Formats: sequence, structure tokens, C-alpha cells
Amino acid sequence: AQRVTQPEKLLSVFKGAPVELKCNYSYSGSPELFWYVQYSRQRLQLLLRHISRESIKGFTADLNKGETSFHLKKPFAQEEDSAMYYCALRGTGNQFYFGTGTSLTVIP
Amino acid sequence: GAGVSQSPSNKVTEKGKDVELRCDPISGHTALYWYRQSLGQGLEFLIYFQGNSAPDKSGLPSDRFSAERTGGSVSTLTIQRTQQEDSAVYLCASQSGSWETQYFGPGTRLLVL
Repeated sequence: AQRVTQPEKLLSVFKGAPVELKCNYSYSGSPELFWYVQYSRQRLQLLLRHISRESIKGFTADLNKGETSFHLKKPFAQEEDSAMYYCALRGTGNQFYFGTGTSLTVIP
Repeated sequence: GAGVSQSPSNKVTEKGKDVELRCDPISGHTALYWYRQSLGQGLEFLIYFQGNSAPDKSGLPSDRFSAERTGGSVSTLTIQRTQQEDSAVYLCASQSGSWETQYFGPGTRLLVL
């Protein structure tokens, strides 16, 4: 079965502290994974995708096939990072499977 | 250019009534998705249109839900005989090609009383 799990519904960190949002997936083939972000009163938007191997707004995510994980990390959290974060998997047939999301709050 | 738009932005209806939700994708985008975002449930895939191919309806939760896409552009999601559990935000996304980024609309917040 194709599935994405985000174990933390809520996560709070202090400004300047490192942050890691966890994502685990279940997929039999070679996965393509994404992180989407939804800021308050804004649309859901793509943050990064693993095939691009890029850093967006200081965030990075590494695909670990052994642990079937794609955790999102940032070394120094900023207040503007407070948002809802969704991990997503592209499945067969170009469907997308989203996790339940993690609400990140960065405390000033 | 204009992004994905959805209408109405909010809809309140009574249990048992039918509702239609509209999505206008980005011009030229061949792929269109509908998702349901329920409190605490994340995004649930409903249906996927790709060009002129038959849509992937595997995510539709019941036969009360249907969707069409006319002329490869505008899409309408119809929910018949609405139930209270249908209350959610319905999101539409479009994509220029199978391996491109999805762009999301603002959503329609549906409340079934």
C-alpha cells in the first residue's frame, strides 16, 4: 500500500533552534517525495521535492530509502516558518498521497 | 498569470441537498486533481484528470461524489445528497504535465448542516 505518515500533529520550537519534521512512507517502487507548506490564510504550495536536491528557505530533506523516511530539517528556525507542513508521495498513475500534516509553531 | 481559482469560497448547505464545486485550473494545464481536506485527516485524494484520458476516480469515497472536466479546462465536483461528514475543505490543483509541480487553489469550505 502507498502511504505517508507524519507522526507529529503539532511541533513547537524556539526561534533559532533546529527543527525536524518527520515523514515516513510506504511504497514498493522508487519513491518521489515532496514537502508542501501552507502558511496562515495562504494556499498550499510546494516547498521542495527530493529529486531537486535543493534547499528552499533553509529547509532540506533527504530521502532515506533504508528507513523509508523523508524528514524535513532546518538548522535555525525562524518565526516565519510557522505553518502547516505536509509530506507527499507521488504514487503510480501520478496520484499524490499526502500525510496528515504537522503544524509547526516557532516561538519567538 | 492567474492561478487556480475555485468557487464558491464557502458553501453552507442542508443535509440531503446537492452541491456543485467549481475549479478553474491554470490555462494550459493538462492535469487536474481534487482533494478533500478534513480536520485532522490531511489531504485525501478524490479524483485525477489527465488530458483526454479517462479520469482516475479511485479516491471518490462513495457514488454520491462525481466530477467532470469540460473541454479539458474547468472542472466541477458534485456531491449528491450531502451528509454532515462531507463537511471539509475541497481543494483543486492543476499541473502542466505529469511530472510537474501541482498548483493549488484556495479551496471551497463546505459545511453541511
